[in-house]
Amino acid sequence: DIQMTQSPSSLSASVGDRVTITCQASQDISNYLNWYQQKPGKAPKLLIYDASNLETGVPSRFSGSGSGTDFSFTISSLQPEDIATYYCQNYANLPITFGGGTKVEIK
Amino acid sequence: DVQLLESGGDLVQPGGSLRLSCAASGFIFNNYAMSWVRQAPGKGLEWVSGISTSGGSTYYADSVKGRFTISRDSSKNTLYLQMRSLRAEDTAIYYCTNLFSPRSYDGFEIWGQGTMVSVSS
Repeated sequence: DIQMTQSPSSLSASVGDRVTITCQASQDISNYLNWYQQKPGKAPKLLIYDASNLETGVPSRFSGSGSGTDFSFTISSLQPEDIATYYCQNYANLPITFGGGTKVEIK
Repeated sequence: DVQLLESGGDLVQPGGSLRLSCAASGFIFNNYAMSWVRQAPGKGLEWVSGISTSGGSTYYADSVKGRFTISRDSSKNTLYLQMRSLRAEDTAIYYCTNLFSPRSYDGFEIWGQGTMVSVSS
């Protein structure tokens, strides 16, 4: 199985800050990587697909980059509504695997 | 409405069984392979099982292989997860979704609201 190592596990930042989360795959997954946002009590919401493509309707302050084994996710200007846990996800093959999550809080 | 609606979650004793259902509406269910993903309380996401569009191919995480069975009924637009020999570590919210691998993303990904399974004596 492909392991996804996501960091940091939590972060605290101020409104307007640039926030970056990284995700490393244990083997080459090309661009088969998604990023999700999950708010308490809700299902995950797809934000970025295929490593760098913004899902329809998602604000442009969210972005993703990378390929192979190293990926990153950025919120260019953190907003109060972005408080959530974010997950990377590999879907290069089954089993689909997720990173451990990054809990984003407002400082 | 376009939605997935899970049901069947309950409190069950260790060693017990449960069947989850996921009713799809508002989209062409038969066009999508489907999966179950779970989330233990306060923990991350874990893919559990997946099924092809025809239902002819099924896949499982090692943690549930031999205990869980995924199936689908195209006439009812419904996905199922039969769970047997349940353990405390199966306690989680179970989501159904059209997440799968491999796939060429067509701009449509949907998740249900989840159903809670608790395994405890």
